[in-house]
Amino acid sequence: GQQLNQSPQSMFIQEGEDVSMNCTSSSIFNTWLWYKQDPGEGPVLLIALYKAGELTSNGRLTAQFGITRKDSFLNISASIPSDVGIYFCAGHPLGRKLTFGTGTRLQVTL
Amino acid sequence: GAGVSQSPSNKVTEKGKDVELRCDPISGHTALYWYRQSLGQGLEFLIYFQGNSAPDKSGLPSDRFSAERTGGSVSTLTIQRTQQEDSAVYLCASRGESNTGELFFGEGSRLTVL
Repeated sequence: GQQLNQSPQSMFIQEGEDVSMNCTSSSIFNTWLWYKQDPGEGPVLLIALYKAGELTSNGRLTAQFGITRKDSFLNISASIPSDVGIYFCAGHPLGRKLTFGTGTRLQVTL
Repeated sequence: GAGVSQSPSNKVTEKGKDVELRCDPISGHTALYWYRQSLGQGLEFLIYFQGNSAPDKSGLPSDRFSAERTGGSVSTLTIQRTQQEDSAVYLCASRGESNTGELFFGEGSRLTVL
């Protein structure tokens, strides 16, 4: 079955720094999604990508759907304390169930 | 409400007891997923319901776990003879007809087995 490798597993950064994380799969996906999970809550959708090469921004967040359709990355610019949480990538092969990455835990220090 | 609702939000039980966790998806959503999340870990897929199709049960870890979805809406996840390793947050998510993978999650049910 599909596997999603997400890296890094965790990051400690200083406020104001930029953050980059990525996800790679062993097979092709038709949709890439990025979610954020705050402590004690369910994951919330940040960005959805539907086309290879697509670059989409949501405020300080930018995500890209890789040309090979087997990878995606998420960048956060000028991080702030409320960016703390776990970020999950997810890939959706058409007609099949969603597969989640293992998550990137982000800690932001002042 | 307009979101995915899960109950109970917290459940403490004794080893060997059965528990039921409930999920009310967003009205009209045809797909419903259950995931398990152990402390500090990722999302472990359990089961997936899509419309009237047979559910995908490939993620259920043992035959002590079962789930049903009545009337295409509310779902119940049942864990029989609970074990300590079943302690986790159980998350439910639903998705609409678009099939683009945009899941909407509930806040989860935290299960603690003593």
